[in-house]
Amino acid sequence: DAGVIQSPRHEVTEMGQEVTLRCKPISGHDYLFWYRQTMMRGLELLIYFNNNVPIDDSGMPEDRFSAKMPNASFSTLKIQPSEPRDSAVYFCASSLGGQGFGFNEQFFGPGTRLTVL
Amino acid sequence: AQSVAQPEDQVNVAEGNPLTVKCTYSVSGNPYLFWYVQYPNRGLQFLLKYITGDNLVKGSYGFEAEFNKSQTSFHLKKPSALVSDSALYFCAVRDEGGATNKLIFGTGTLLAVQP
Repeated sequence: DAGVIQSPRHEVTEMGQEVTLRCKPISGHDYLFWYRQTMMRGLELLIYFNNNVPIDDSGMPEDRFSAKMPNASFSTLKIQPSEPRDSAVYFCASSLGGQGFGFNEQFFGPGTRLTVL
Repeated sequence: AQSVAQPEDQVNVAEGNPLTVKCTYSVSGNPYLFWYVQYPNRGLQFLLKYITGDNLVKGSYGFEAEFNKSQTSFHLKKPSALVSDSALYFCAVRDEGGATNKLIFGTGTLLAVQP
C-alpha cells in the first residue's frame, strides 16, 4: 500500500488566494483526519470524517476553512481567502475503525507545507 | 476531559545510553494510549499502543512503553539510544467522546541523541 497520499507537498501562495489541499487515504480506512502543525500551536486537529461524513469540525479555525470528502478515497481542505497566519504544515491521516475493544492507530501522510505571503 | 502531558520539551541523551520520554495521562475511563514519532519534514509515524493486557508494550525500532495505572503514566523507553532516534515524539490518548478514532496529542518532546 502506498500509504496516505497528500498533494501538493509544498504550496506558496499570496494572501487572498484560494488554496486547496488534497488527500487520498489508505484504501479501506473509514476515518480521515485533517491536522495543522505550527511551532506556536503544535499539532491541532481541524476536522475528521467517518465514512465520508464530517463528525467533528470544531477545530476548524474559521469560516475561511472548509473540508469535503466526496468519496472514500478523496478529501480536500480548502482555505479561501488565505492569510499569512495560515502558514503551517497540514497533515492528513486515516485509520480503520476498531471493533469491540480494538482501536486502530492513525496513519499520517507526508504533509503539505503551506506558505502564505 | 481526557488529556496527555509531556513534561519535557527536550530530552538529551548520549548514544548507547538508555532513554526515557515521559508521558502522563488523564482519563475517566480505560485509557487507550499511543506513541508516535516525527522525523524532520515527515509525517507522524506510529510506534506503539496500549489498549489492554501486558503493561509493557513493545513497538517499532526497539522502543517500548510501560503503562503504569497508579501513576497514570505511559513513558517511552529504549535500552540503547541511536543518533537516528533523534526526532520529535508525541504521546496521544483516545478521545473518550463516543465510538471514535479521534486522538488527543501531547505537545511533543524533542529527543536529541548525541554521538
